Amino acid sequence: EDQVTQSPEALRLQEGESSSLNCSYTVSGLRGLFWYRQDPGKGPEFLFTLYSAGEEKEKERLKATLTKKESFLHITAPKPEDSATYLCAVLIQGAQKLVFGQGTRLTINP
Amino acid sequence: DSGVTQTPKHLITATGQRVTLRCSPRSGDLSVYWYQQSLDQGLQFLIQYYNGEERAKGNILERFSAQQFPDLHSELNLSSLELGDSALYFCASSVGGGTPWEKLFFGSGTQLSVL
Repeated sequence: EDQVTQSPEALRLQEGESSSLNCSYTVSGLRGLFWYRQDPGKGPEFLFTLYSAGEEKEKERLKATLTKKESFLHITAPKPEDSATYLCAVLIQGAQKLVFGQGTRLTINP
Repeated sequence: DSGVTQTPKHLITATGQRVTLRCSPRSGDLSVYWYQQSLDQGLQFLIQYYNGEERAKGNILERFSAQQFPDLHSELNLSSLELGDSALYFCASSVGGGTPWEKLFFGSGTQLSVL
C-alpha cells in the first residue's frame, strides 16, 4: 500500500535554531514529491516540487531535498512567522492523485 | 490570497441532511480538485474535474457527488450526512489537468459540522 509518513508530528524550536523535517514514502513509483505549508484556518500553500533523487530546491530559509526513500525540509535560522504545519505529498506513477502525509506542526518561539 | 474562492466558510447541519459546497477556481485554471481534511485522516483526495469532465477519483463516498459547470466553478454535494462527515473541505485549482501535476492553489475551505 502506498504510504507517506512525516516525522516528527510536532516540533518546537527557538528562533534561529535550525532543524529538519522528514517525509518518508513507500510507493510503487514516484512521479513527484511536493511540499506545502498550511497556516491555521487556511488552505495549504505550495512550496516546492521535487522530481528525482538528488534534486534540491530552496526558498528563503527553506531547502527541500529528495532521496529514493525520503525527503527532507531543512529550515535554517527560522523565525516565528515560519510557524505552520508542513505537509508533504507524493504523486504516484499511474495514479492521478496526490497522497498527503499527516504533516509536521512546527512552532518557532521568539 | 490564492485566488480560489470557497463558500460558505462554515456550515452547520444535522445528520441525514444534504449540503452543497461551492468553489470558484483561479481565473484561467481548468482543473478543480476537492479534498477532505480531518484530524484523524489528514488531507484526503476526493475528486478532480478538468474542463467540465471528471478526471480522477479518490476516496469519495457514494453519498458525495461533484460537478464542474461551463463557467468552471464546481460544486460538491454531500447527502445523507453522518457525524463522521464533519471535516474541513478544500477546493484547489490548477492550470492543466494532465500529469505531472504542477502546484495546486487551495481555497480557505468550508468547515462542515454535522450535529
